[in-house]
Amino acid sequence: EILMTQSPATLSVSPGERATLSCRASQSVGSNLGWYQQKPGQAPRLLIYGASTRATGIPARFSGSGSGTGFTLTISSLQSEDFAVYYCQQYANWPRTFGQGTKVEIK
Amino acid sequence: EVQLVESGGDLVQPGGSLRLSCAASGFTFSDYDMNWVRQAPGKGLEWVSHISSSRTIYYADSVKGRFTISRDNAKNSLYLQMNSLRDEDTAVYYCASASVCSGGSCRTYWGQGTLVTVSS
Repeated sequence: EILMTQSPATLSVSPGERATLSCRASQSVGSNLGWYQQKPGQAPRLLIYGASTRATGIPARFSGSGSGTGFTLTISSLQSEDFAVYYCQQYANWPRTFGQGTKVEIK
Repeated sequence: EVQLVESGGDLVQPGGSLRLSCAASGFTFSDYDMNWVRQAPGKGLEWVSHISSSRTIYYADSVKGRFTISRDNAKNSLYLQMNSLRDEDTAVYYCASASVCSGGSCRTYWGQGTLVTVSS
């Protein structure tokens, strides 16, 4: 099983600032990596797939990078609606595995 | 409009059984792989099971031998039969599509979730 590790657990950011979230895989997943956003009481929403491709309707302030074992999600200028929990997920191997999440909170 | 609507969540005793359903609409259900993902209260996301459009199936180790995923394309429905339930199966269960792509861009669809509580 591929272990996905996200850091930091919590990120405190002021509106308008940049947020950088990290995700590390215990073995290479190539570019088979997705990022999800989840707000309280809501289902997750896919932001990024293929490590760097924005999903349908996702604003350009969200960008993903990386391949192999190290990945980054960047939110260029945080908006109020971006404060949420973010998860990475690998889909290179079975079982699919999620990271434990990074909570982005208002500073 | 694409919709995934889960049902069947309930309070059940340890060792009991439950069957979750997910009704899909607004897309060609039979063409797409589907997943169950769960989230324990206050915890992160855990992938549970996958069934492809051709009915290839995978399970998380934590549910293998106890849960069974299935689909009925004629009814546009996904199911999860859960047996020998344990306290640690308590969670919101989401049904989620695999990537649905159109015009060169892809997204996934998720239901609103259904709560399964395993407790005596």
